[in-house]
Amino acid sequence: EIVMTQSPATLSVSPGERATLTCRASHSVSSNLAWYQQKPGQAPRLLIYGVSTRATGIPARFSGSGSGTEFTLTISSLQSEDFAVYYCQQCNTWITFGQGTRLEIK
Amino acid sequence: QVHLVESGGGVVQPGKSLRFSCAASGFTFSSYDMHWVRQAPGKGPEWMAVISYDGSNKYYADSVKGRFTISRDSSKNTLYLQMNSLRTEDTAVYYCARQMMGGNHWYFDLWGRGALVTVSS
Repeated sequence: EIVMTQSPATLSVSPGERATLTCRASHSVSSNLAWYQQKPGQAPRLLIYGVSTRATGIPARFSGSGSGTEFTLTISSLQSEDFAVYYCQQCNTWITFGQGTRLEIK
Repeated sequence: QVHLVESGGGVVQPGKSLRFSCAASGFTFSSYDMHWVRQAPGKGPEWMAVISYDGSNKYYADSVKGRFTISRDSSKNTLYLQMNSLRTEDTAVYYCARQMMGGNHWYFDLWGRGALVTVSS
């Protein structure tokens, strides 16, 4: 099983600032990586797939990068609605998710 | 409006069975591969099973293989999950999820709201 490790577990950032979230895979997942956002009581929402392609309706302030085993989600200027939990997901070998990064208001 | 709505959650004793349903609307259900994903309290999501658009192929995570069965009825636009021999570690919110069309990559572009299953004596 490919283990996805996200860091940090919690990230405190002020509105308007940039947030950078990291996801590392135990084995290469090539470009088969997605990011999801989850708010309390809601299902995850697809943000980014194929490492860097934004899903439909996702604002341009969300961007993804990386390849192989190390990936980054960047939110360029945090809005109030962006404070949530973020998960990475690989689908190179079956499907596994990371344990999440909680993005909180500083 | 596209929607997935799960039903069938609740409290069940260890060793018992439960059947989940997921009703789809607003899109051509029979064209999409569909998945079940669960999320234990405070944890990341865990993929459980997939069924192809025509029901001909099914795959399971090792954690549920042999206990859970995924199926679909496209005439009713409904996805199912039959869960047998439930364990306390099966306690989670269960989501049905639509696989994004194209490219044969297992990304999920539509999720239901989820339904809680609590396995407890």
